[in-house]
Amino acid sequence: GQNIDQPTEMTATEGAIVQINCTYQTSGFNGLFWYQQHAGEAPTFLSYNVLDGLEEKGRFSSFLSRSKGYSYLLLKELQMKDSASYLCATTSGNNRLAFGKGNQVVVIP
Amino acid sequence: GAGVSQSPRYKVAKRGQDVALRCDPISGHVSLFWYQQALGQGPEFLTYFQNEAQLDKSGLPSDRFFAERPEGSVSTLKIQRTQQEDSAVYLCASSLVPGQGATETQYFGPGTRLLVL
Repeated sequence: GQNIDQPTEMTATEGAIVQINCTYQTSGFNGLFWYQQHAGEAPTFLSYNVLDGLEEKGRFSSFLSRSKGYSYLLLKELQMKDSASYLCATTSGNNRLAFGKGNQVVVIP
Repeated sequence: GAGVSQSPRYKVAKRGQDVALRCDPISGHVSLFWYQQALGQGPEFLTYFQNEAQLDKSGLPSDRFFAERPEGSVSTLKIQRTQQEDSAVYLCASSLVPGQGATETQYFGPGTRLLVL
């Protein structure tokens, strides 16, 4: 089975950097996804990591350590539109995604 | 191109009613998934189709839940005799091909918000 843990909420100032952590325990591991979800909207794909290390994509970066069962999403130069829930999800090759509860980020001016 | 679409966006049902939720995946996507998302929680897997074949339905919470994708494109999730605990957002997602790696990326629709009174 999959067990995914994320902190629930954080507040950060516009222009700042925020790091959202995700730890997981899985019976098999085939990659980790990060999604952004604004209230009442669809989750939208941000990043995919399957190898250890940092993947950078514009203002967003995602890191994975398979040996530690740990990932983080780094949001730089925060903008008001980044206020959303950030979901991490693992896949174990059986096609389904196992999601954490999500981390609500609130960006304040 | 068009993303995943779902209808209706909102549905209010009386306890005991049957409901049908529709999903139109991205054209050409082989895999289709249904998830249930309770308030303040992450999505929970319900079922998975590869083309018209339902390969995994282990997440369906009871035999009141039924899903189909008869022509390998549009899918319908049906809930019979709805209960209050069925109130949630039902998300549909599709991906290009089954398998491993980034091709597994699932693209989500906006969901149907179901409220059972």
